[in-house]
Amino acid sequence: EVQLVESGGDRVQPGGSLRLACTVSGFTFSDYWMHWVRQDPGKGLVWVARINSDGSSTSYADSVKGRFTVSRDNAKNILFLQMNSLRVEDTAVYFCLRASDYWGQGTLVTVSS
Amino acid sequence: DIQMTQSPSSLSASLGDRVIITCRTSQSVTTNLHWYQQKPGKAPKLLIYRASTLPNGVPSRFSGSGSETDFTLTISSLQPDDFATYYCHQSHSTPLTFGGGTKVEIK
Repeated sequence: EVQLVESGGDRVQPGGSLRLACTVSGFTFSDYWMHWVRQDPGKGLVWVARINSDGSSTSYADSVKGRFTVSRDNAKNILFLQMNSLRVEDTAVYFCLRASDYWGQGTLVTVSS
Repeated sequence: DIQMTQSPSSLSASLGDRVIITCRTSQSVTTNLHWYQQKPGKAPKLLIYRASTLPNGVPSRFSGSGSETDFTLTISSLQPDDFATYYCHQSHSTPLTFGGGTKVEIK
């Protein structure tokens, strides 16, 4: 069974940092591109970042470029999102997404003073 | 960036109704268009992959059609479990984008 489990969400002050993780199982992680998508409470879905299957190529939404870094450990089946210089508007539930099919359950990031 | 126009933003329908949701993209995405269902507090669930492919386990009352810039999600006979929000999503090019969602409510 394909499973994606996010962790690392927390409440943090503006300017702070967080590292999210997405631990996967049930498929060959190194075969798939992966994405992070976020959703403001009660709002729509917004793509954040993607990484190719071997980690050599990444892409980011303009709103997070230069502040967020996506990476992966194919040996440990984990996807990461390092979030620096967090802003109030980064508050959202963050989901990891395998290609365009399977989603994790999400982890809540709250940026507030 | 590819803009996504999803309509309607909400609709009220009765059990057994046929429901049609449309998604238009600002430029061609060929068939790299997917549909998801989301219920409150839950992750989105894939309903239709690459415009018209039904993943295993998705009921056959759901169907998708279209290509290039115009796409449709159809629920042939609305069931109680179908009241949710539906999103289209293009994976043709970055930044990946999503439609604004269609909330399907009970009439």
